[in-house]
Amino acid sequence: EAQVTQNPRYLITVTGKKLTVTCSQNMNHEYMSWYRQDPGLGLRQIYYSMNVEVTDKGDVPEGYKVSRKEKRNFPLILESPSPNQTSLYFCASSQRGEAFFGQGTRLTVV
Amino acid sequence: AQSVAQPEDQVNVAEGNPLTVKCTYSVSGNPYLFWYVQYPNRGLQFLLKYITGDNLVKGSYGFEAEFNKSQTSFHLKKPSALVSDSALYFCAVRDGWGGKLIFGQGTELSVKP
Repeated sequence: EAQVTQNPRYLITVTGKKLTVTCSQNMNHEYMSWYRQDPGLGLRQIYYSMNVEVTDKGDVPEGYKVSRKEKRNFPLILESPSPNQTSLYFCASSQRGEAFFGQGTRLTVV
Repeated sequence: AQSVAQPEDQVNVAEGNPLTVKCTYSVSGNPYLFWYVQYPNRGLQFLLKYITGDNLVKGSYGFEAEFNKSQTSFHLKKPSALVSDSALYFCAVRDGWGGKLIFGQGTELSVKP
C-alpha cells in the first residue's frame, strides 16, 4: 500500500529541546516536502527536496532543518523549538501527479 | 506568484442537498489544480485534480469539480451531500514543475441531517 509515514503523531516538548519528526515514503517518489497547518492559513511549505541530497527552503523555513540522505526518508529537525512552532505538521511526497500526505504530527512547544 | 483563494471559511448544507465549495486561483501559465479533504485527526486525502482536458473533473466519493478558465475558478461540487462529507476541504495549485502545492486557507463543510 502506498504510504507516507510520520512519527510521532503527537508531541509535547519544552522550548529549546531539540526534536526530530521522521517521515518515510514507500513509493520511490523523488519530491518530498514538509508543511505546517495553522488555522486560517491553510498549509504552508517549510522545506522541500527534489531528490537525495537536494533540499531547499519553502515559504516558512525559519527555525527548521531537513536532510535527505536516502530517497525514502525526509526528517524534519527543530534544533531549538519555540512556542510559535506549535502547529500541525505534514510530510508529503509526489512524483508528477497528486501529493500523498502523512497522517500529521501535532506538535506543542511549551 | 501563484495563489489560491477559498472565499468561504464555512459552508453549511442539509443532507441530500447539493453542495458547492468555492475556489479561485491566480497562476501564470496553465494551472494544475487539486482538491484535498481532511477529516478530523487525519492527513489530507486526494479528491481530484485538473491538469488538462475536460472542464468537469470527477473524483472520489462522488465529488466533481468544474474548471472555469474565464472566471479562474475550480469549484468543488457534489449533487447530494452526506453527513459523512463533513470535513475540511482544501483547494491547491501546483507551483511549477516540482511538487510544491500552494493551498487555500480551507473551507469547513458541515452537513446536517
